[in-house]
Amino acid sequence: GAVVSQHPSWVICKSGTSVKIECRSLDFQATTMFWYRQFPKQSLMLMATSNEGSKATYEQGVEKDKFLINHASLTLSTLTVTSAHPEDSSFYICSASSARGHQPQHFGDGTRLSIL
Amino acid sequence: GESVGLHLPTLSVQEGDNSIINCAYSNSASDYFIWYKQESGKGPQFIIDIRSNMDKRQGQRVTVLLNKTVKHLSLQIAATQPGDSAVYFCAENPRAGGTSYGKLTFGQGTILTVHP
Repeated sequence: GAVVSQHPSWVICKSGTSVKIECRSLDFQATTMFWYRQFPKQSLMLMATSNEGSKATYEQGVEKDKFLINHASLTLSTLTVTSAHPEDSSFYICSASSARGHQPQHFGDGTRLSIL
Repeated sequence: GESVGLHLPTLSVQEGDNSIINCAYSNSASDYFIWYKQESGKGPQFIIDIRSNMDKRQGQRVTVLLNKTVKHLSLQIAATQPGDSAVYFCAENPRAGGTSYGKLTFGQGTILTVHP
């Protein structure tokens, strides 16, 4: 149980393109979803917290107009990287939790984004 | 802000040995801790968790120890196998009541390499 699916797994696109990444909880309802960014050989950095039906909460330093998050249902959250540039290239990972707090977050397998 | 850190960035062991991965945390407001395993190109996989009202918790081949006095967390893997080779992250979750509740802060990670 507790499977999180992330799509696509790998994206290569030109600078200036907007890219949408989907995160789905397949066998549970995710009241909260989280979006992380990970650079090579580094840890995960939380970008934003997304609750179903409400606006996402962004961490300090993360541009909300650059990284648009939508959490329209209890099983789907999307992250759109708008007008992506090479410095946005990274590994983006989502996680989902059925309850906030003392419950482990379950992670998708990440999206490798490469902007040329 | 406060952060979770690891003492050793890399650990190499022989197959069959026991492995110990350490983590120091600095946020005294954290009361829930999780260990994750991340294989190359994948998202973190939940291993084991522990709440602050416990000192030890055991799973299958894994044990997590929590020492709140010195703010130290460790993951012990018994009879380590080549399939255990991965990056291991500890993560902390602040207690309820604060704005950070439900958000995980990840340590820097330890690369575990198991030699056959």
